[in-house]
Amino acid sequence: GAVVSQHPSRVICKSGTSVKIECRSLDFQATTMFWYRQFPKQSLMLMATSNEGSKATYEQGVEKDKFLINHASLTLSTLTVTSAHPEDSSFYICSARDWGRGDEKLFFGSGTQLSVL
Amino acid sequence: RKEVEQDPGPFNVPEGATVAFNCTYSNSASQSFFWYRQDCRKEPKLLMSVYSSGNEDGRFTAQLNRASQYISLLIRDSKLSDSATYLCVVKQGGSTLGRLYFGRGTQLTVWP
Repeated sequence: GAVVSQHPSRVICKSGTSVKIECRSLDFQATTMFWYRQFPKQSLMLMATSNEGSKATYEQGVEKDKFLINHASLTLSTLTVTSAHPEDSSFYICSARDWGRGDEKLFFGSGTQLSVL
Repeated sequence: RKEVEQDPGPFNVPEGATVAFNCTYSNSASQSFFWYRQDCRKEPKLLMSVYSSGNEDGRFTAQLNRASQYISLLIRDSKLSDSATYLCVVKQGGSTLGRLYFGRGTQLTVWP
C-alpha cells in the first residue's frame, strides 16, 4: 500500500530553537498533505492543510508564522516549528491523500514526538 | 460541542470477550465515517470504514445510525493484539475538500 514517510521520529531541542519535520509520500503524488498535532490522551487536531505550490491553509488558532509549512513538490511537505517553547511539545503527524486507486485513501506518517526543554 | 465524542475508557477486558465502543457526531451533514486504530505514540491506521447498512470485517462489526448520529464498533473474541486506542473519525464535506474530525479515542486493554 501507499506509504508516507515522516522524519524525524523524535526530537529533543532547547527552547528557542527551530525544528523541521519532513513528510514524504513514497509511491504516490500528494497535492494535499495535512499536519496534525496530538497531545497526550487527546484527539488529533488538524493544524493546517498543505497544498503543493501554494500557501498552506491554517486552522483557527494556529499561528502561521510559528508553524511554517512548505510543500514545494508533489511528494514532500515540511513543517518547521520556529522558536519552539515547552508548550509546543507534542506528537506531530502528517497525512496525505492518495486518489490513485479510484477512491480516496488517507495515509499517515509515523509521527514525530517533539520535546522542547 | 466537539465534532466527535467518544467515551475515552479505558476498557479492560479478558481475552475472548466482546467489547463495544460508541461514538456520536454533531454535524448531521457528515458524509463518511471510519474507525482507526492507534497504538501508543504511533500513527493511526484505518481499521474499517462504516457504512449505513453496517459492515463486518472478521471479528469487527461497525454500525452507523444517521438519525441518532451514532457510530459503533463491536469487537468479538478479543485478542491481546487488539489492545490499542480506537479512534472514531468523521468526514465532512465533499471528496476533494472534505476534512476529517477525530474523536479523542477509546483505550482498550485486553488481558490474558
